Amino acid sequence: SQTIHQWPATLVQPVGSPLSLECTVEGTSNPNLYWYRQAAGRGLQLLFYSVGIGQISSEVPQNLSASRPQDRQFILSSKKLLLSDSGFYLCAWIQGGGSYEQYFGPGTRLTVT
Amino acid sequence: AQSVTQPDIHITVSEGASLELRCNYSYGATPYLFWYVQSPGQGLQLLLKYFSGDTLVQGIKGFEAEFKRSQSSFNLRKPSVHWSDAAEYFCAVAPRGGGGNKLTFGTGTQLKVEL
Repeated sequence: SQTIHQWPATLVQPVGSPLSLECTVEGTSNPNLYWYRQAAGRGLQLLFYSVGIGQISSEVPQNLSASRPQDRQFILSSKKLLLSDSGFYLCAWIQGGGSYEQYFGPGTRLTVT
Repeated sequence: AQSVTQPDIHITVSEGASLELRCNYSYGATPYLFWYVQSPGQGLQLLLKYFSGDTLVQGIKGFEAEFKRSQSSFNLRKPSVHWSDAAEYFCAVAPRGGGGNKLTFGTGTQLKVEL
């Protein structure tokens, strides 16, 4: 069966520090991968998605970047965090092709101080 | 512009009472429709989906949803709510025909269950 992992589960970082959040999927190949951010009372905002290794689409201009160095690995990064980067970050995957059902990881709670 | 609206930010129901959570969408053509549930501090779990066919779809945990094309709605229902249903519920849509299979989410409805 397929499993999606995210780490760390929680993170407290000072303003101006770098960020690296990792997401990995097991039990599937060539998935579509997605990064969302959830701010309090604002639903889920799609940040990036990837349909393959090295292929990244950005949905919203911001202080973050994403990379997909391996088929089942998706990384969210920042060189210098802002206070507004605080939130709950969720990774999701679907099997490529005609599937639309996204499956979510447990999330990372990021607090920028 | 494409959008998903969940007009109720918070809903409180008594355990055993019926539940209906509203979802309306604005799209050029009927999209694929989903309901997800999120427990505090957790990821999202898919409750049910509508792609085509029967407009009343059954999901997990005793939930169902009805697609009404004329009203551009996809409301979630449960006949009898359990205390464990307290969570946040998200309606989501995806355009038919690819485009990265991206979902657009509503802002969510927080459900509180009174014992």
